[in-house]
Amino acid sequence: NAGVTQTPKFQVLKTGQSMTLQCAQDMNHEYMSWYRQDPGMGLRLIHYSVGAGITDQGEVPNGYNVSRSTTEDFPLRLLSAAPSQTSVYFCASSYGVGSPYEQYFGPGTRLTVT
Amino acid sequence: GDSVTQMEGPVTLSEEAFLTINCTYTATGYPSLFWYVQYPGEGLQLLLKATKADDKGSNKGFEATYRKETTSFHLEKGSVQVSDSAVYFCTLSGNTPLVFGKGTRLSVIA
Repeated sequence: NAGVTQTPKFQVLKTGQSMTLQCAQDMNHEYMSWYRQDPGMGLRLIHYSVGAGITDQGEVPNGYNVSRSTTEDFPLRLLSAAPSQTSVYFCASSYGVGSPYEQYFGPGTRLTVT
Repeated sequence: GDSVTQMEGPVTLSEEAFLTINCTYTATGYPSLFWYVQYPGEGLQLLLKATKADDKGSNKGFEATYRKETTSFHLEKGSVQVSDSAVYFCTLSGNTPLVFGKGTRLSVIA
């Protein structure tokens, strides 16, 4: 199993550009989520999905869109990039939501917005 | 809502020293507790977990015990190595998606 994969690994955008961060998992997990990691802030939940066709907002959803058309894929879209979105983005998946399920994380995408 | 508080870093130790990273939590119900580790330039990996009170999770020489009476899940290792240098996250899973502490950076020097 490849586990959770993310592309690209690094990306530089100009303010106002749009892009999609890709995330895929091959473990048949129902639950997938996106986090951003900023210095001193830990990980903050952006959006999550409990299954194909179902998504919901996390703690910091503004400026991001998601969709879940298949069990395997959960892309994150930045509609109009802003410098405040400079961060490291992690995708994660698990069998279910909440206790006792552990999450499996991808390697991350480091995004810089200039 | 649910929350996790862990000790601020960074923590710098000499090789073979004893490690404790404190973690306390606030939650309703019966959450599971996890420690995740992030090595430089990588994603998070599960280090250990405990799913009910008095459970002890252990892995790679690290241990943590789920203490409901003190709402704590402190991470310990008897003898750290340089390869343990990483950021450690205490994490809670209740009725909602994971709740993370802010992370503790550990540096171990030879």
